[in-house]
Amino acid sequence: EADIYQTPRYLVIGTGKKITLECSQTMGHDKMYWYQQDPGMELHLIHYSYGVNSTEKGDLSSESTVSRIRTEHFPLTLESARPSHTSQYLCASSKIAGPKGETQYFGPGTRLLVL
Amino acid sequence: QKEVEQDPGPLSVPEGAIVSLNCTYSNSAFQYFMWYRQYSRKGPELLMYTYSSGNKEDGRFTAQVDKSSKYISLFIRDSQPSDSATYLCAISGGYNKLIFGAGTRLAVHP
Repeated sequence: EADIYQTPRYLVIGTGKKITLECSQTMGHDKMYWYQQDPGMELHLIHYSYGVNSTEKGDLSSESTVSRIRTEHFPLTLESARPSHTSQYLCASSKIAGPKGETQYFGPGTRLLVL
Repeated sequence: QKEVEQDPGPLSVPEGAIVSLNCTYSNSAFQYFMWYRQYSRKGPELLMYTYSSGNKEDGRFTAQVDKSSKYISLFIRDSQPSDSATYLCAISGGYNKLIFGAGTRLAVHP
């Protein structure tokens, strides 16, 4: 079982509020990811990190930002939430990929509803 | 063309049926293949992974890779209602990021 945690699990918030979604892992993994997934739809990579002080944008443009100050912690922040940000946000982690590729482990997700 | 193609379904089968889930990929450099299971409103969980062509079995689940055809499959024997979920294939090409399929929704009805 993967040791990766996300809080809150559910969040209902009004438009214009600043929110931070927390993600932490205890596996010592270097790489961490944030995905956005609408119900019944594909995973879309929005941010990833190779390690401390490393952050990169993913395939899907996002108004969110991330930081990686500690190996185990990878929070995602929305400065001003909008209804279009309503979605499920999934955090994942993995070891740095080797010759055989990588395996990602996912947290339980945060379901965000912006009113 | 997407790098990984997966039929989204939905696939509905009776309990006890053998289920076949499939993905195709375009890049022959991909060498590492995974299947994830995602229950509704949960994060994906790693189900199986395999590196080489051939079959890998784990209980009722068998992962099959055919590199010559760029085709991967997941078979579920004696399917149960608890197997109802979305199944995502994922592929990696060594030092590269994981690429996920769109996921196939499976419903096993009693």
